[in-house]
Amino acid sequence: GAGVSQSPSNKVTEKGKDVELRCDPISGHTALYWYRQSLGQGLEFLIYFQGNSAPDKSGLPSDRFSAERTGGSVSTLTIQRTQQEDSAVYLCASSLIQGDYEQYFGPGTRLTVT
Amino acid sequence: QKEVEQNSGPLSVPEGAIASLNCTYSDRGSQSFFWYRQYSGKSPELIMFIYSNGDKEDGRFTAQLNKASQYVSLLIRDSQPSDSATYLCAVKEMNTGFQKLVFGTGTRLLVSP
Repeated sequence: GAGVSQSPSNKVTEKGKDVELRCDPISGHTALYWYRQSLGQGLEFLIYFQGNSAPDKSGLPSDRFSAERTGGSVSTLTIQRTQQEDSAVYLCASSLIQGDYEQYFGPGTRLTVT
Repeated sequence: QKEVEQNSGPLSVPEGAIASLNCTYSDRGSQSFFWYRQYSGKSPELIMFIYSNGDKEDGRFTAQLNKASQYVSLLIRDSQPSDSATYLCAVKEMNTGFQKLVFGTGTRLLVSP
């Protein structure tokens, strides 16, 4: 079946602009996760959703970052007033439920802030 | 923040050899452990998971877990050039009502023909 999809695949934006990144999880997966991967770094957890709720937002780097999920499906990660340090690959993953189930990753969005 | 440590490498092995990738973790309460493979410019893909002490084999891959030593490893037998990638160790961290994956920075594996 279809995997996790993300859009756009690449985004170049000017410092100070807002960006929206979209994730479409695998159909039927109730848990959705956002990670950030900077060049040469590991994956940094940002936020997760169980259904439409985000019980843990502690990984969001600052209040410029927010995320929502609607209909238990598509999620958007919004970064306001982007900074150069926000440049990274933003990865979305989904799993069947929030628990001992494997996470499947999307192809990522490469964000470059100039 | 619980930590997952991996040697960044690169680990270079000749084709046909056994590649041994290691990972240590700090959260003694962790129960689930995952190995992801990430090709350059691609997203991670799950290759193995292990929950119990001991070995788990899947084709050319063997995951080994030692909870007492807080150590998990991945062995790749008969390494192929196509195995060249970065291997990420991930540990499911236990928080109240929520379990999240904590990733190591990965070990880059190079398999030479």
